[in-house]
Amino acid sequence: SQTIHQWPATLVQPVGSPLSLECTVEGTSNPNLYWYRQAAGRGLQLLFYSVGIGQISSEVPQNLSASRPQDRQFILSSKKLLLSDSGFYLCAWSGQRNQPQHFGDGTRLSIL
Amino acid sequence: GENVEQHPSTLSVQEGDSAVIKCTYSDSASNYFPWYKQELGKRPQLIIDIRSNVGEKKDQRIAVTLNKTAKHFSLHITETQPEDSAVYFCATQGNMLTFGGGTRLMVKP
Repeated sequence: SQTIHQWPATLVQPVGSPLSLECTVEGTSNPNLYWYRQAAGRGLQLLFYSVGIGQISSEVPQNLSASRPQDRQFILSSKKLLLSDSGFYLCAWSGQRNQPQHFGDGTRLSIL
Repeated sequence: GENVEQHPSTLSVQEGDSAVIKCTYSDSASNYFPWYKQELGKRPQLIIDIRSNVGEKKDQRIAVTLNKTAKHFSLHITETQPEDSAVYFCATQGNMLTFGGGTRLMVKP
C-alpha cells in the first residue's frame, strides 16, 4: 500500500533562516505531489504541485520554492523565512486526475 | 479559476442529531467531489467522495449528494457522535483540486 512521510513534525525557526521540508511517497510510481499551507483555524492553500520529476507549478508567488529531485520526493524550501511563513505545512500525493489526494502528517512551522 | 463556497463555517449539534454541510462551486467542468475530515492538529483524511455521474453515495452514517445542474453538493452525517467533532472540507476537481473554507462541526454529548 501507499504511504507518505513528512518530516520534521514540528520546527521552530528564527526569521531570516533557511527552510527545508521533505516529503516522500512509497508504494506508487509517478505520483502527483502537492504542498499546502494551512494557517491556524483556516483552510488549505495550495503552494506548489508537481506532475513529474523537475516539473513544479507554483500557485502563489512568495519566498518559498519547491523541488522534485526524484520521482517520489518533494522538497519545500526557503532561503529566508518570514514571520508570515508560520503555519501547518502538508504534503499530499495523488494518482491520476480525479483520484483522491492523500495527506502526510504535516509539519508545524513556527517562526520566531 | 474554480471557486468553492462552504457553509456553514461552524455547526453545533446535539449527539444523535443530523448534520448537513453544503458546498457550491463555479466550474461546470468539475467532476470529482471529495470530502475530508481534519481533527485538531492532524492531517485531513478522505471520508467519502462522489463523481459527477452519481447523484448520491452513502457509507454507513455518512452520505453525499450532488446536484450538477445547480453546482452544489452536500455532506450528511446522521446519528452524530462526539468523535465526529472535527473540521470538514469539501473539494472539487477541475484542473486542480480546490478546497472549500471548512466547517467546524461540534457534537455536544
